[in-house]
Order: sequence, then C-alpha cells, then structure tokens
Amino acid sequence: AQSVTQPDIHITVSEGASLELRCNYSYGATPYLFWYVQSPGQGLQLLLKYFSGDTLVQGIKGFEAEFKRSQSSFNLRKPSVHWSDAAEYFCAVGAVLTGGGNKLTFGTGTQLKVEL
Amino acid sequence: DAGITQSPRHKVTETGTPVTLRCHQTENHRYMYWYRQDPGHGLRLIHYSYGVKDTDKGEVSDGYSVSRSKTEDFLLTLESATSSQTSVYFCATLSGGTDTQYFGPGTRLTVL
Repeated sequence: AQSVTQPDIHITVSEGASLELRCNYSYGATPYLFWYVQSPGQGLQLLLKYFSGDTLVQGIKGFEAEFKRSQSSFNLRKPSVHWSDAAEYFCAVGAVLTGGGNKLTFGTGTQLKVEL
Repeated sequence: DAGITQSPRHKVTETGTPVTLRCHQTENHRYMYWYRQDPGHGLRLIHYSYGVKDTDKGEVSDGYSVSRSKTEDFLLTLESATSSQTSVYFCATLSGGTDTQYFGPGTRLTVL
C-alpha cells in the first residue's frame, strides 16, 4: 500500500525567505504525486502535480517541486515566500485504479507560518 | 473551480442519529470521492465511486455507506453517528482529462 510522510508538522519562515517542504512517499510503481494547499476554513487547492517526464515541475503561485526517484521524495519549494502563503500544505500520492482513475493517499500536512 | 457543492456545510447532530451528506458536481466526472480530515491525520479516503451504482471502500469506511444513483450526486451516510465521526468531510471529483482530483468546500460535522 502506498504512504506519504511529511516530516515537518510546523514550519515558520520570514517573508521573502526561501521555503522547502519535505515529502517522502512509498509506492511500488511510478507514482502520481501532488501538492495541495489549504487555507483556513477552505477546501484544497491543487498547487502542482507530477505524472512523468521532467522531474522539476512548476505550479501556481510560484511554487515548484522536484521528483527524486532515488530518494522517494517530492519536495515543494518557493524561492521567496509571501505572507499570503501561510496555509497548510499536503503532499499526496495517487494509486492508479483498474479501469482508470486514481485514489489519493495524503500526508499529514505541514502548517506554514510566515513572519512579517 | 470543479463545480462541486456540498450540503450541508455545517451540521451538529447527536450520537445515534443518521446523517446524510450530499456532494453535487456539474462536470459529469465519472469518479467521485469522500474523504474525512482530522488533525494529525491529513485526509483519509472513506469511499469512492467509479460510476452510477459503482462504489468501493477506502481506508476508513467502517460506519459509513455511500450511494450514487445519478452521475452528479454522491451521498455519504452515517447510519448511526458516533462522536468519533466528528470531522470535516470533503468530496472530490476526478477530472479524467488531467487525472487530477478537485475538492469541494467541505462539510463540518459535529456529533455530540
């Protein structure tokens, strides 16, 4: 069965500083990988995804993530954090279902706080 | 915006009562999902559907049932609610063209 580990429960960064959120996954085949963001009281918004091809993927809001198969990692990065990036971030791995479709397994999330 | 609405958005109920949550989509997506979100657990899959009347269990399905009689609606039922089912429930649909799940706004359920 697939699993996702987000080792950092809370991270605090200063506005303008760089950010890296860690994600490690376990999955038997080539994974579908996702990062979602959740603002307080809101649903989940997709930041970016990796299915295949270029291992560095670009997402919305200036985020990027790099797939490293040898490390089973899919870390999320942003070169300069804005106060509006304060939110909870979830990494997820998608398992392909027979007949199409997928189902997601989520990490426990990383709460990002941005200091002004 | 994946055209997903959930109702109700908030509900308070008592232990032992039945509860039904509704997810409605306008995109004609084949796959629909129910997740629950709890602090320290992230989101966990309860049930999913891959077509009308076609459903399967997720990792935390005990105490929950689902039904899908129309493509656009996916219902989650707690036959006899317990305090451990206090949670935020999210519905999602899968965009077949992008293999990406999009989430609804959530339903906050409190079982007293």
